[in-house]
Amino acid sequence: AQRVTQPEKLLSVFKGAPVELKCNYSYSGSPELFWYVQYSRQRLQLLLRHISRESIKGFTADLNKGETSFHLKKPFAQEEDSAMYYCALRPYPGNQFYFGTGTSLTVIP
Amino acid sequence: DTGVSQNPRHKITKRGQNVTFRCDPISEHNRLYWYRQTLGQGPEFLTYFQNEAQLEKSRLLSDRFSAERPKGSFSTLEIQRTEQGDSAMYLCASSLARRTGTVLSSYEQYFGPGTRLTVT
Repeated sequence: AQRVTQPEKLLSVFKGAPVELKCNYSYSGSPELFWYVQYSRQRLQLLLRHISRESIKGFTADLNKGETSFHLKKPFAQEEDSAMYYCALRPYPGNQFYFGTGTSLTVIP
Repeated sequence: DTGVSQNPRHKITKRGQNVTFRCDPISEHNRLYWYRQTLGQGPEFLTYFQNEAQLEKSRLLSDRFSAERPKGSFSTLEIQRTEQGDSAMYLCASSLARRTGTVLSSYEQYFGPGTRLTVT
C-alpha cells in the first residue's frame, strides 16, 4: 500500500539557516512526488513536483528512489517560509493523491 | 474567475442529519477532486471526476457518502446520516488534464478553501 511519512510534525529554524523537511514514501512502482504548502489563512497550493526539477521560492527536492525519499530543502530560510508543508505521492498510473501528515515550519527571526 | 470556491464554508449539524456541500471548480478544469482532512492529518483522497464521470473512489468513502458532477462543472458531496466521526474539513480541488496523442498530462491541482463540518 502507498504511504507517505513526514516524521517531523514541528520544525523550527532561525532565519538564514538551512532547512530540510523530510519525506519518505512507500510504493513499489514509479510514483510522482509533490510538495504542497499552506500559508496561514491561505489555501493549500502546489510548491513543486519532482518531474519539473525546478526550484520554487528557493526550495528544491530530489527524488531518491533508493532511499524512497523526497526531502524538501532550502539553503537559507526566510520568515515568509513559515507554513505547513505536505508531501504527497501519486502512483503511476493513477490519479489518487496520498498526503503525509504535514510538517509545520517556523522560521525564527 | 477567482479560483475554486466551496459552499458553505462552515456547517454545524446534528448527528443523523444529511448535509450537502458544493464545489465550483475553475471553469476550464475538467478534473475535480474531493478530500477530507481531520486535525493533525494531511488531506485524504475521497473521489475524483473527469468531466461528469466519477472515475475513482477511495475505500474511505462509505455508502453514506455520495458525490456528483452532473454537467461536468460544479460538484456536490452529500453525507447521509452524519456521524461525529464525519467532522472534518472537506476540500475540493480542480485541475486540467490534456491528452496529446496517447499521453494524458495532468496539471496542477488548485484547492478550494474547504468546508468545515462539525457534527454534534
